[in-house]
Amino acid sequence: NAGVTQTPKFRVLKTGQSMTLLCAQDMNHEYMYWYRQDPGMGLRLIHYSVGEGTTAKGEVPDGYNVSRLKKQNFLLGLESAAPSQTSVYFCASSYARTGGRSNQPQHFGDGTRLSIL
Amino acid sequence: DAKTTQPPSMDCAEGRAANLPCNHSTISGNEYVYWYRQIHSQGPQYIIHGLKNNETNEMASLIITEDRKSSTLILPHATLRDTAVYYCIVRVGTHAGGTSYGKLTFGQGTILTVHP
Repeated sequence: NAGVTQTPKFRVLKTGQSMTLLCAQDMNHEYMYWYRQDPGMGLRLIHYSVGEGTTAKGEVPDGYNVSRLKKQNFLLGLESAAPSQTSVYFCASSYARTGGRSNQPQHFGDGTRLSIL
Repeated sequence: DAKTTQPPSMDCAEGRAANLPCNHSTISGNEYVYWYRQIHSQGPQYIIHGLKNNETNEMASLIITEDRKSSTLILPHATLRDTAVYYCIVRVGTHAGGTSYGKLTFGQGTILTVHP
């Protein structure tokens, strides 16, 4: 049971380079999320998606783009990487709602550790 | 979403119960209490959640006070592998037309150290 899988696990970039982080889930979840975690800051929501073909901004969306072309995949892109984007990135997914309300927990991947020099 | 307050750190002996408290005095009626933990270098792991009734699953028990202003996560028989940062999060459930689609706000959490 794979759950939420993130690739790559580690990456080092130079300032100005671009890259895409991939998140894949096999639980047929409707919602998917991208967070970043920095020391002393907790997790902060970057972007999220409530379904295939839809995305929305979270708390810290600047410098990132996302796409959800398939229900099981959520991509996070950095067009021009900056040192401030050095962080650990976590993807999560959850079911939408049951009985008209959502209290479904989010399930997280093990993260992508990204360093930008 | 309501703010939560947790002690920064706690110790527990292996095999004993670990009781982790959380205050959420401003919780509103439609907000759930969630517990997650994060073991070093891993992603957050969902433990349990509840609205107003006490809950139990294979990992832990959640005790919510009658006024819902505080809760306690209980790990009945702590092991060394339970050493982690434990996060108490209060979150409203989404509903049709709502905008808070499951956003989780992680605070600083409680560092639980289980020692032999």
